[in-house]
Amino acid sequence: AQSVTQPDIHITVSEGASLELRCNYSYGATPYLFWYVQSPGQGLQLLLKYFSGDTLVQGIKGFEAEFKRSQSSFNLRKPSVHWSDAAEYFCAVGAGNTDKLIFGTGTRLQVFP
Amino acid sequence: GAGVSQSPSNKVTEKGKDVELRCDPISGHTALYWYRQSLGQGLEFLIYFQGNSAPDKSGLPSDRFSAERTGGSVSTLTIQRTQQEDSAVYLCASRSSTGTNSPLHFGNGTRLTVT
Repeated sequence: AQSVTQPDIHITVSEGASLELRCNYSYGATPYLFWYVQSPGQGLQLLLKYFSGDTLVQGIKGFEAEFKRSQSSFNLRKPSVHWSDAAEYFCAVGAGNTDKLIFGTGTRLQVFP
Repeated sequence: GAGVSQSPSNKVTEKGKDVELRCDPISGHTALYWYRQSLGQGLEFLIYFQGNSAPDKSGLPSDRFSAERTGGSVSTLTIQRTQQEDSAVYLCASRSSTGTNSPLHFGNGTRLTVT
C-alpha cells in the first residue's frame, strides 16, 4: 500500500525567501503524486500533479515540484514566497491500480513580513 | 459550475448521539471520497465510491461509521454513538473519472464537535 511522509510539521519563512516543502512517498511502482494547498477557512486546492514524463512539474501560484525516483521524493518549491502563501500544504500519492489517494499529515507554512 | 457541497457546515452533538453528514458531488462525477481531518493527523482516508462498484471501506475506523451513496450521486456519512474522538472536519471530494490522473475536487467540509 502507498504512504506519504511530510517530515516538517511547521515551517516559517520570511516573505521573499525561497521555500522547499519535503514529501517522501512509499509505493512499489511509479506513483501519481499531488500537492494540495488549504488556505485558512477554505477548501483544498490542487497546486500541481505528476504522472509521468518530465520530472519537474509546474503548478499554479508559481509553485513547482520535482519527482526524484531515487530518493522517493516529490518536494515542493517556490523561489520567492508571498504572504498569501501562508497555508497548510498536503502531499498525496495515488497508485495506478487503485483510485485511493493517500495524503500526508501536512506542513503548515507561516510567512513573516 | 457548482462545486462539491457539504452540509451541515458545522455540527455539534452530544456524545452517544448519531449524526449524518451529507455530500453533494459535482454533477457527473463518478468517484466520491470521504476523508477526515483531525489536528495533527492530516487527511485520513475513510471510504471511496466509484460508480456501481462495491465501495472501498478500508479506511473506516470502526463499525460505528458507515456511508452510502444513493443513485450514484449524493452520499451520506453516518456516525453512530458518537465519541469525543470523532470530533474532526469531515471532507468530501469527487472526481470525474476513474484513474488517479484526474484531480479531486473538495468540499469545504463539515466540522463535527462531540461534547
